[in-house]
Amino acid sequence: DQQVKQNSPSLSVQEGRISILNCDYTNSMFDYFLWYKKYPAEGPTFLISISSIKDKNEDGRFTVFLNKSAKHLSLHIVPSQPGDSAVYFCAAKRNQGGKLIFGQGTELSVKP
Amino acid sequence: DVKVTQSSRYLVKRTGEKVFLECVQDMDHENMFWYRQDPGLGLRLIYFSYDVKMKEKGDIPEGYSVSREKKERFSLILESASTNQTSMYLCASSLTGNEQFFGPGTRLTVL
Repeated sequence: DQQVKQNSPSLSVQEGRISILNCDYTNSMFDYFLWYKKYPAEGPTFLISISSIKDKNEDGRFTVFLNKSAKHLSLHIVPSQPGDSAVYFCAAKRNQGGKLIFGQGTELSVKP
Repeated sequence: DVKVTQSSRYLVKRTGEKVFLECVQDMDHENMFWYRQDPGLGLRLIYFSYDVKMKEKGDIPEGYSVSREKKERFSLILESASTNQTSMYLCASSLTGNEQFFGPGTRLTVL
């Protein structure tokens, strides 16, 4: 049972444009969400997070939006840069338990 | 600066061999995790540990065991490696259980 889903395996965007990566979840008990970025042959690195008490969190070019009623979150990257090309994973957790549940990942390609 | 290291970047083993993957963190984190990453499946949790000598099964523990004798070290053991355990193995640690810091990964191939 995939509790966190990233339905787009890949996304291609032109440099300077907006990249929007989407993530859906099924467990209404999730209350903390994270995005990780992963380059080939490296471990994932933390990018940005959001608590369920918020609907938006912004950090520089990266903004995460949370729509609790739709059980949907998205990561916006503006403007996109070639160095943003990587696999992006969304993850979710419950307040108690400590386990992160990851989506399948979306491979973003930003073309110059 | 946060540092999680894994003993090998690439490893090739034979079916039936016992395999040890080591992970060390220098951040004094209580929580440590082992994942495997496979194309189209994302990161799946194998085992995790909240404290020394403590372990809990993740979502796919079959065929694996772990050891945590010291706070900074968390080992993943493949008792008898099989070809379906060919994968990228990622170790992570966390202070709060929210943000996890990952090592560079070990690409294991079982022939």
